[in-house]
Amino acid sequence: RKEVEQDPGPFNVPEGATVAFNCTYSNSASQSFFWYRQDCRKEPKLLMSVYSSGNEDGRFTAQLNRASQYISLLIRDSKLSDSATYLCVVNFPSGTYKYIFGTGTRLKVLA
Amino acid sequence: DAGITQSPRHKVTETGTPVTLRCHQTENHRYMYWYRQDPGHGLRLIHYSYGVKDTDKGEVSDGYSVSRSKTEDFLLTLESATSSQTSVYFCAISSSGRDGEQFFGPGTRLTVL
Repeated sequence: RKEVEQDPGPFNVPEGATVAFNCTYSNSASQSFFWYRQDCRKEPKLLMSVYSSGNEDGRFTAQLNRASQYISLLIRDSKLSDSATYLCVVNFPSGTYKYIFGTGTRLKVLA
Repeated sequence: DAGITQSPRHKVTETGTPVTLRCHQTENHRYMYWYRQDPGHGLRLIHYSYGVKDTDKGEVSDGYSVSRSKTEDFLLTLESATSSQTSVYFCAISSSGRDGEQFFGPGTRLTVL
């Protein structure tokens, strides 16, 4: 099993739709979780951290399910500008400061 | 945006030549990372640094070395470039090594012919 797994997509959704991505992780001791956004040929940028209680930032909601070892990202009222690849990142507490990146889920929002 | 620059931004080189990539930060963050990104793979950690002269290997460190003589600079060296090292290289910084978010530089596209 990969340490961090994501559905590569693409998810093609119309403008205004709600879309959700999941990301599963293998290490139950992981403590820190993040969602990053990466535009084509650009660097990843932090979208939001994922807290145990869940968190929301405008149209974006992140959730953590420790029992099933996955995090999720929900995007409401999708905009064309949301088209990007979404990377989940998990910190593996192996004694070193190591972040494991998923391969990303590609989202295309269609007009 | 976090003050991180990478140089060069693009480089084409030949197999067997040495290559050094530079990452420079103005944020005074303690932790710095070098990743490579290839199709079908997530970003993979090459090396990281947790302070001046303190570095450690990541998951794909073979063929790479690093140095950090100043807080603001983290150098990645390919001693003898191979075609398998053709990739996009990203530097990242973080104020906290374990729980902190990372900020990425704009990347360096390296092609080894």
